[in-house]
Amino acid sequence: GIQVEQSPPDLILQEGANSTLRCNFSDSVNNLQWFHQNPWGQLINLFYIPSGTKQNGRLSATTVATERYSLLYISSSQTTDSGVYFCAVNFGNEKLTFGTGTRLTIIP
Amino acid sequence: ETGVTQSPTHLIKTRGQQVTLRCSSQSGHNTVSWYQQALGQGPQFIFQYYREEENGRGNFPPRFSGLQFPNYSSELNVNALELDDSALYLCASSSRDRGKTQYFGPGTRLLVL
Repeated sequence: GIQVEQSPPDLILQEGANSTLRCNFSDSVNNLQWFHQNPWGQLINLFYIPSGTKQNGRLSATTVATERYSLLYISSSQTTDSGVYFCAVNFGNEKLTFGTGTRLTIIP
Repeated sequence: ETGVTQSPTHLIKTRGQQVTLRCSSQSGHNTVSWYQQALGQGPQFIFQYYREEENGRGNFPPRFSGLQFPNYSSELNVNALELDDSALYLCASSSRDRGKTQYFGPGTRLLVL
């Protein structure tokens, strides 16, 4: 099956800093989603981005499908950005395969 | 448009018991997927239901079973609970007719003692 690796596993930043999270996947996909899991466990959709670049406020994402990676950028970090960020991929309508996540901690 | 809801939010069971978790899909969605998330790990796919039929299954034993109803809501049943079944159970809904984005509910935290 598809393997998904995320880096770094942990990231601690000062409020206001910028960060880049990476997701590598082992095979062709036609669905890639980025999620933020808050401390209560809710997975919040950030981006559906099988290819190209999207921006939503302070967050943006880029997927280079031919090179099998995606990047999530967070600018001007706020404490509410803390949590675990997952990327997940699939090919078709079936299961999403999740990475192991990046735990982001923003210090005031 | 209502989001994905799950019930109950928390549950405590003892080993050997059976449990039923429920999920209501987002309006307009016809596909429900279930995931298990153990502490410190990413969610793992259990199975998916589309038009009341199981459509894809992950590496979970048969004691994990499910149903989808005509209104697209779904149940996850786990028989003969084991300690390792303690996890956050997430359901996601999506629409095959409107793209592949999966939207997740808040989850049910199951503790097996």
